[in-house]
Amino acid sequence: GNSVTQMEGPVTLSEEAFLTINCTYTATGYPSLFWYVQYPGEGLQLLLKATKADDKGSNKGFEATYRKETTSFHLEKGSVQVSDSAVYFCALSVLSSGTYKYIFGTGTRLKVLA
Amino acid sequence: NAGVTQTPKFQVLKTGQSMTLQCAQDMNHEYMSWYRQDPGMGLRLIHYSVGAGITDQGEVPNGYNVSRSTTEDFPLRLLSAAPSQTSVYFCASSYGDRGSYGYTFGSGTRLTVV
Repeated sequence: GNSVTQMEGPVTLSEEAFLTINCTYTATGYPSLFWYVQYPGEGLQLLLKATKADDKGSNKGFEATYRKETTSFHLEKGSVQVSDSAVYFCALSVLSSGTYKYIFGTGTRLKVLA
Repeated sequence: NAGVTQTPKFQVLKTGQSMTLQCAQDMNHEYMSWYRQDPGMGLRLIHYSVGAGITDQGEVPNGYNVSRSTTEDFPLRLLSAAPSQTSVYFCASSYGDRGSYGYTFGSGTRLTVV
């Protein structure tokens, strides 16, 4: 079946620290991969995406590379800020029975301390 | 550029009451979904629709009904509210034939059943 597994949180970092949030997936076919961010009291927003192997998605200093050989899509940022405190969701979309299905991880909460 | 609009933002219901959560999108997306978000459980799919007149169940459909009479609107009905339906509800939409596009989410409805 199709699934997404991401590291449990919370992840607590000091400002300017390096961030990695791990995400691995299982999928039939060729999924597209996504990271979404949810700030307190808000809906999920698309942060970045990658649609084929070795693609790198990037946005707002965050990056993730689609690794087919390790079925991974880890989120990284070189220097986090307090404003990056949020919940991050890894997700995939895959064609199933003629339509695209979206599968989400359970989310990882990031807390950045000043 | 409204995107996905959900109403109301907050609602308190008594056990046994019914209500409809509204969702509208102005992006001509074929695919619309309803999720609930509970602490520690990520997003769970309630119902989804691949186009006007077509709906299907997700993983937690019991106690909820949907209909899709137009491309723009996808209301979620709670038939007889129960405390277990206390949650945050998100509506999301996407292009049905573009798995690489990703979801656009609404800002959510926070529902409390007492």
